[in-house]
Amino acid sequence: DVKVTQSSRYLVKRTGEKVFLECVQDMDHENMFWYRQDPGLGLRLIYFSYDVKMKEKGDIPEGYSVSREKKERFSLILESASTNQTSMYLCASSLGGTGNYNEQFFGPGTRLTVL
Amino acid sequence: DAKTTQPPSMDCAEGRAANLPCNHSTISGNEYVYWYRQIHSQGPQYIIHGLKNNETNEMASLIITEDRKSSTLILPHATLRDTAVYYCIVRVLVGGAQKLVFGQGTRLTINP
Repeated sequence: DVKVTQSSRYLVKRTGEKVFLECVQDMDHENMFWYRQDPGLGLRLIYFSYDVKMKEKGDIPEGYSVSREKKERFSLILESASTNQTSMYLCASSLGGTGNYNEQFFGPGTRLTVL
Repeated sequence: DAKTTQPPSMDCAEGRAANLPCNHSTISGNEYVYWYRQIHSQGPQYIIHGLKNNETNEMASLIITEDRKSSTLILPHATLRDTAVYYCIVRVLVGGAQKLVFGQGTRLTINP
């Protein structure tokens, strides 16, 4: 069964801390994505990666960085967490290529609170 | 990016067909329409997708108008477990990856 896992379901951090959110997929997918979801704003794409060590900015990359050292793992990094980064963070993965369709499989999400 | 417009909320009686509309008037010829749904406290789940032909799978049917400016997702026999936020999305290709631009979605409530 297809699986995307995220390291934590809930996380509480303090302002200024460096935060790592980890995502692992076991489907050998090339593409991985990080979104944040906020009430009234829907899901917004932060960063994505279509290959190991490759990354592309999404719609709201400011304040975030990512790392993809291995195909199965995509990390989202908050260099210095701020209260406006309190949100639900969702990771997704999909097969690579520009073929007919590549369904994105989502993890359960990490609810991050920055105090 | 092509934008989609959906009603913010809808209600449907259990056992009836739920018809969820979506407008995507700026869609271009090679952009697919995707539908995902998100049940409370879970990540979004893929439902169905289409380019210009109507599509059906075990979860739903997708009807796309001939001019491709709008589509309707049909859940033929809605159950209480279908209560969720439904997102109509137009796929955009960026580099080697497909970018899904999520709008606000429609909050569908299935009533007993």
